[in-house]
Amino acid sequence: GAVVSQHPSRVICKSGTSVKIECRSLDFQATTMFWYRQFPKQSLMLMATSNEGSKATYEQGVEKDKFLINHASLTLSTLTVTSAHPEDSSFYICSARVPDRVGTEAFFGQGTRLTVV
Amino acid sequence: GQNIDQPTEMTATEGAIVQINCTYQTSGFNGLFWYQQHAGEAPTFLSYNVLDGLEEKGRFSSFLSRSKGYSYLLLKELQMKDSASYLCAVVDSNYQLIWGAGTKLIIKP
Repeated sequence: GAVVSQHPSRVICKSGTSVKIECRSLDFQATTMFWYRQFPKQSLMLMATSNEGSKATYEQGVEKDKFLINHASLTLSTLTVTSAHPEDSSFYICSARVPDRVGTEAFFGQGTRLTVV
Repeated sequence: GQNIDQPTEMTATEGAIVQINCTYQTSGFNGLFWYQQHAGEAPTFLSYNVLDGLEEKGRFSSFLSRSKGYSYLLLKELQMKDSASYLCAVVDSNYQLIWGAGTKLIIKP
């Protein structure tokens, strides 16, 4: 199957700082990637859809200025959590689907555990 | 609105069989996925159904009835390592994945 690599897997940062999370498709070109957040014992919550070469589409209630998404190439999307607060502590996961292939599974990155202290 | 329902939690015994149900109401249908997610890890793919019927893959099987908006995941010969959350996700008419809240499966010896 296709491989999606996410980095870092864990990060601890101080309140008020920014954290960048990278998501790379290693063996396919992903025109679209998805960013999810998952709080303990809850399901995946779609934050935004990242489109290569254009602005990301954010879900309702997700702050664009706080969660900056850049999809600069066909294999890399980044999520930057700006001015992080303790309530931003969560598990962030990216995923990508092989384009133009209906029904293909979503390939997930390993996830990033963010802890804001 | 779009809605996917799964039981929140289920408990089963090692070696037994368990069926996890998923009902959905979405704008269009282009397939249904089941994923397994262990705590603190990303989801991993289990199965994909787009036509009615049963798909068998080792100890896991997945069933789909499009007319009823219903699917189930069947796990046989349960092992302790099967303790995880199981997520149902539907591909809607816009080819977006709509996720269920997941079912936490607890396996007891």
